[in-house]
Amino acid sequence: QQQVKQSPQSLIVQKGGISIINCAYENTAFDYFPWYQQFPGKGPALLIAIRPDVSEKKEGRFTISFNKSAKQFSLHIMDSQPGDSATYFCAASRGSSNYKLTFGKGTLLTVNP
Amino acid sequence: GAGVSQSPSNKVTEKGKDVELRCDPISGHTALYWYRQSLGQGLEFLIYFQGNSAPDKSGLPSDRFSAERTGGSVSTLTIQRTQQEDSAVYLCASSLGGAGRRVNYGYTFGSGTRLTVV
Repeated sequence: QQQVKQSPQSLIVQKGGISIINCAYENTAFDYFPWYQQFPGKGPALLIAIRPDVSEKKEGRFTISFNKSAKQFSLHIMDSQPGDSATYFCAASRGSSNYKLTFGKGTLLTVNP
Repeated sequence: GAGVSQSPSNKVTEKGKDVELRCDPISGHTALYWYRQSLGQGLEFLIYFQGNSAPDKSGLPSDRFSAERTGGSVSTLTIQRTQQEDSAVYLCASSLGGAGRRVNYGYTFGSGTRLTVV
């Protein structure tokens, strides 16, 4: 059973455009939702994270939008740049076992110059 | 070191052989995790160590997989009698916190070990 569903699988955006990646979760006990960015040959790196007590969190060009009632959250990358081309993973964890992250399957983002 | 170090970076082994993968976490990080990344499958949790507590082994896919962490630092993931389906990138991560810590305990991942079983 896949607890975190991520879409799309791949995304191509022009430089300067907005990249949007969506995730949906099933477990209402999840209370921590990070996004990771992974470049080829490297491990994932934490990009931004949100808890369900807020609906939006912004860090620079990256914004997480969170909809608790719909059990969905999304990553928006504004003014996308070729250097943003990478694989993005959403993840979730819960309560007392919040050390164990459940990851989505990833989105390969390509930003064309 | 400044980051999480994993070795080897690549490993090719014959089916049926045993392999050991090593992880050096960031100094001072009490929590250590192993994940497996298969093509198109995201990251799959394998095992978690927190300080001197008993590890959470709930993600290990079979009894051919085992891991230990010596002295609260270096960890070794061992796969016995490797199978072709074990081929994947094995990622280690560490963090300052673990269960019960209400802090931003984002993982720091190593670059992984790419295991190929032929």
